[in-house]
Amino acid sequence: KAGVTQTPRYLIKTRGQQVTLSCSPISGHRSVSWYQQTPGQGLQFLFEYFSETQRNKGNFPGRFSGRQFSNSRSEMNVSTLELGDSALYLCASSLSRERNTEAFFGQGTRLTVV
Amino acid sequence: AQKITQTQPGMFVQEKEAVTLDCTYDTSDQSYGLFWYKQPSSGEMIFLIYQGSYDEQNATEGRYSLNFQKARKSANLVISASQLGDSAMYFCAMRVEAGSYQLTFGKGTKLSVIP
Repeated sequence: KAGVTQTPRYLIKTRGQQVTLSCSPISGHRSVSWYQQTPGQGLQFLFEYFSETQRNKGNFPGRFSGRQFSNSRSEMNVSTLELGDSALYLCASSLSRERNTEAFFGQGTRLTVV
Repeated sequence: AQKITQTQPGMFVQEKEAVTLDCTYDTSDQSYGLFWYKQPSSGEMIFLIYQGSYDEQNATEGRYSLNFQKARKSANLVISASQLGDSAMYFCAMRVEAGSYQLTFGKGTKLSVIP
């Protein structure tokens, strides 16, 4: 069974540009959530999608957005990139939204903004 | 709001020895789940173990066990018989809302296993 796949693995962008990251969840998983990981702030929740609807959003500016498609694949978009957006972006999928359901993570996309 | 505190930025353990990674949490919710994840240098977060707030017994998964002390709000991870491949970052996380898959993470502990 394939795991969570994130593409691309590495990305270098210039300030002011926009970027789109992709996440393919484990087959059958309908919940997809995104996290930003930086050395200073650690792991921070960005947003969660379930059945193509955003269910929850973390404390990030509106430059960060996402969507989920009918096949549960999700994309995350960051517009007007800033140097501080350089981070590892992790996607996680889970079978259900029950409290005891573990989330399976992808290997992440490492974004560098120059 | 929920908070996870991991007070050990780094830990060293001799190969084949046991090690305990500390985690304390703060929440006003009565129902919550606690998770431990391992993050090797490759970046992927690997699920290790789960403990529910209403679970009466401590969770165990192979060499991993969770020492859950609800009154003290602690959920320490115990790794028995450490292996070189256990060297990684370890994160404690909590989820409280049944209707949302949002994990709150601690800052992590970097474990180094010495041969």
